[in-house]
Parts: sequence; structure tokens; C-alpha cells
Amino acid sequence: QVQLVESGGGVVQPGTSLRLSCAASGFTFRNYGMHWVRQAPGKGLEWVAMIWYDGSFKYYADSVKGRFTISRDNSKNRLYLQMNSLRAEDAAVYFCARALFPIVYYGMDLWGQGTTVTVSS
Amino acid sequence: QSALTQPPSASGSPGQSVTISCTETKNDIANYNYVSWYQHHPGKAPKLIIYEVFKRPSGVPDRFSASKSGNTASLTVSGLQAEDEAHYYCSSYVGSNTWVFGGGTKLTVL
Repeated sequence: QVQLVESGGGVVQPGTSLRLSCAASGFTFRNYGMHWVRQAPGKGLEWVAMIWYDGSFKYYADSVKGRFTISRDNSKNRLYLQMNSLRAEDAAVYFCARALFPIVYYGMDLWGQGTTVTVSS
Repeated sequence: QSALTQPPSASGSPGQSVTISCTETKNDIANYNYVSWYQHHPGKAPKLIIYEVFKRPSGVPDRFSASKSGNTASLTVSGLQAEDEAHYYCSSYVGSNTWVFGGGTKLTVL
């Protein structure tokens, strides 16, 4: 079954860290670029980060640059998002999404159901 | 940074057609064919319904169509059905290794 399943969300205090994970199955993970996208409560979708199929290039939204790190382990079919120095405005449902192949710029064709991050003191 | 503007809401009766616009202040939509559209039912995974401005992934009904003119992209849902009620988001790669989403449009089937 082709799917993405996120995990690792939870309730954390401002200034702390959290690592999200996305498990891919049913397709050749190492061939695809991957994104993280988030949705704050009551808000729309916001692109967070993107990593190339081999991890060679990583891109970030200005809102998370310097605090978040996207990475992947193709041997484990896993995508990660390390989130440091968390702020209240980082609270959201975080989705992992697969970039279209072979042209990553065209869109995101497979999404997980998301994992929720709450940042509260 | 580029921003994509969508109307917050749209509505139509079953069987009717509705068009949702996505307007961008710079020329990133005009210059690139990277516009995509997503359907999102709350609590579920977003679903790609249009990519590369007007192409439909396999399995997406042809009731969903899209186009682009200048700096405005549009999604049309024809023959509205109850299950089309959802949030719809446009998105585009806008250069400088950045992707953006529109604010989303809530489509209500009356």
C-alpha cells in the first residue's frame, strides 16, 4: 500500500526540541524528493521544507530557517524533521508529502495524515 | 516573498460549476508552469487534484479542470457533488528554492 505515516508529534514547551518522522511504504522512497508542510489551527497550508531524493539539497521556508532541519534515511524509508527552538507559532499539524517525479517543482502527489505539534508553556 | 491569494469561500448547488481563483502579485505564476491544486477534507490527508497548471493525476475526475492566465490560476469544479465540499489550496514553486500555498478556499455545496 502506497502511503506516508507521520509520527513524533506532541506537546512541548517553547524553546524546546522535537523530531518528527515520516515512514514511507509501497514505493521506491529513494527516488523521490520529499516535503514537510504544516497547518496551524484554523489556518491554511504552509510549506516548511524540502529535501532532494538523495538528501543532497535541502530548502527551508524563512519562518523555520536556522531552527528546523530536514533529513532522510533512504535505507529505512524515513523522512525526518528536527525542530529546535520551538515557538508558539510552530504549533500545527505537520504533513509529509512526496514530490512529483521526476519534476519536483510540479507538485506533491502523496500526503500523510499528519502529526500534531502543540507548543505551550 | 511571493504570495498566492484565494477567495476564502465559494459555493454552488449540486450539478453547478464553481471556479476558484489563485492570484499572485509577482510574476511567478505567469513565468512558471508549476501551479498545483489540492483538495483537503479536514482531518484527512490533502489530495493532489491538479499539477503543472492543468494536468489531472490518475483517478481524479474530469469534473476538475484548471487553467492559468497571466498571474492568475483557476480551478473549476463542474457538476458539483456533495463530496466536493472541502478546502481547496493552490500552490506553486516560486523560484529561489521556495514553494508557497494560497490561503485556501472553503467550497460549500449548498
